[in-house]
Amino acid sequence: DTGVSQNPRHKITKRGQNVTFRCDPISEHNRLYWYRQTLGQGPEFLTYFQNEAQLEKSRLLSDRFSAERPKGSFSTLEIQRTEQGDSAMYLCASSLVGAYNEQFFGPGTRLTVL
Amino acid sequence: AQTVTQSQPEMSVQEAETVTLSCTYDTSESDYYLFWYKQPPSRQMILVIRQEAYKQQNATENRFSVNFQKAAKSFSLKISDSQLGDAAMYFCAYNPNAGNMLTFGGGTRLMVKP
Repeated sequence: DTGVSQNPRHKITKRGQNVTFRCDPISEHNRLYWYRQTLGQGPEFLTYFQNEAQLEKSRLLSDRFSAERPKGSFSTLEIQRTEQGDSAMYLCASSLVGAYNEQFFGPGTRLTVL
Repeated sequence: AQTVTQSQPEMSVQEAETVTLSCTYDTSESDYYLFWYKQPPSRQMILVIRQEAYKQQNATENRFSVNFQKAAKSFSLKISDSQLGDAAMYFCAYNPNAGNMLTFGGGTRLMVKP
């Protein structure tokens, strides 16, 4: 069990560029979550998948954000036309349905928008 | 909407002493889970302890224990025999039984003095 992995770990981009992050969950986990964490704050929920279906999206997830989990395994989170306010740590977590919904977190991708 | 409040932005404790971190939450649900997560500096978030709301007995995991007061909607974390490795951000989180997203508090930074 290698845990949840995220790539890249750090991303620096210029305002207006598009960025894409990848999350690989724990292999047998069927739920995958994305959260955003700004400095000194707790994580905020963005969206989650059960298998390949995106079941819930937060109002924080503007039209510039899109997430996919095409085969129910890894997931990608894309941000189009980045803004300075998008600078944050993007966390991915996975869980197994029924196991108290205990979520296991990855190390995160830190995005800096210049 | 559920909210989670951690009223102590920072706490410090002497090594080998005991410290208690506070958390209150607001919900209209009767069945839910509460969690404490630890986030060391530049490292990923890990689960410290979990409490099911339907259980009256307070959860314990080695040096970590909780004081769960359902009527008061209070969920504090006690760390006994504090160690230098306990220094981290601690987040209280809520998850409704039928839901999936975690709602986090703002966190408490714990410093451990040698």
